[in-house]
Amino acid sequence: KNQVEQSPQSLIILEGKNCTLQCNYTVSPFSNLRWYKQDTGRGPVSLTIMTFSENTKSNGRYTATLDADTKQSSLHITASQLSDSASYICVVSARAYKLVFGAGTILRVKS
Amino acid sequence: DTAVSQTPKYLVTQMGNDKSIKCEQNLGHDTMYWYKQDSKKFLKIMFSYNNKELIINETVPNRFSPKSPDKAHLNLHINSLELGDSAVYFCASSFFSGDTQYFGPGTRLTVL
Repeated sequence: KNQVEQSPQSLIILEGKNCTLQCNYTVSPFSNLRWYKQDTGRGPVSLTIMTFSENTKSNGRYTATLDADTKQSSLHITASQLSDSASYICVVSARAYKLVFGAGTILRVKS
Repeated sequence: DTAVSQTPKYLVTQMGNDKSIKCEQNLGHDTMYWYKQDSKKFLKIMFSYNNKELIINETVPNRFSPKSPDKAHLNLHINSLELGDSAVYFCASSFFSGDTQYFGPGTRLTVL
């Protein structure tokens, strides 16, 4: 069964600290993996996309990693800011364009 | 502004009514989608259209009917609304199916 599991469900950190969000998937065959950020009351916005051959991809303070062997991905946020408070969604795409969404991790950055 | 837009942003209605949500994208994308996000914030795809043709139709009640008059528009019509239909509905688009999606701001539907 194609599934995407994210952990933790929610996370509270202090402004300026780093954090890492996890995504484990069982989607097969694998095409690509995306991380989206969803601010409260808004639609998701794409942060990164990685294909099978990519291990790391950065977008500013966001760095995503992918281990296709263990079927795990992580999103690392460096020097967190209040504006990073959002839900982070991992989406895995299988061939034939089937998208499998994770339930998301809710991040709250406190001052 | 180049974007995916949805109307209305909020929709409150009684059970049994019929309502529509409109979506338009001016990004030149070929593929459009409708998603439902429930109270637990889980995004679930409902439909996907590519160049006005239906390519994904997940298990959605027949009361939901998407309509694509052209590739820049994908409207969602819902008949006989039920309490369980209350959710936030997102429209999205991408250059092709499977590509990065650009989401609209969402429509919060509340069925009383």
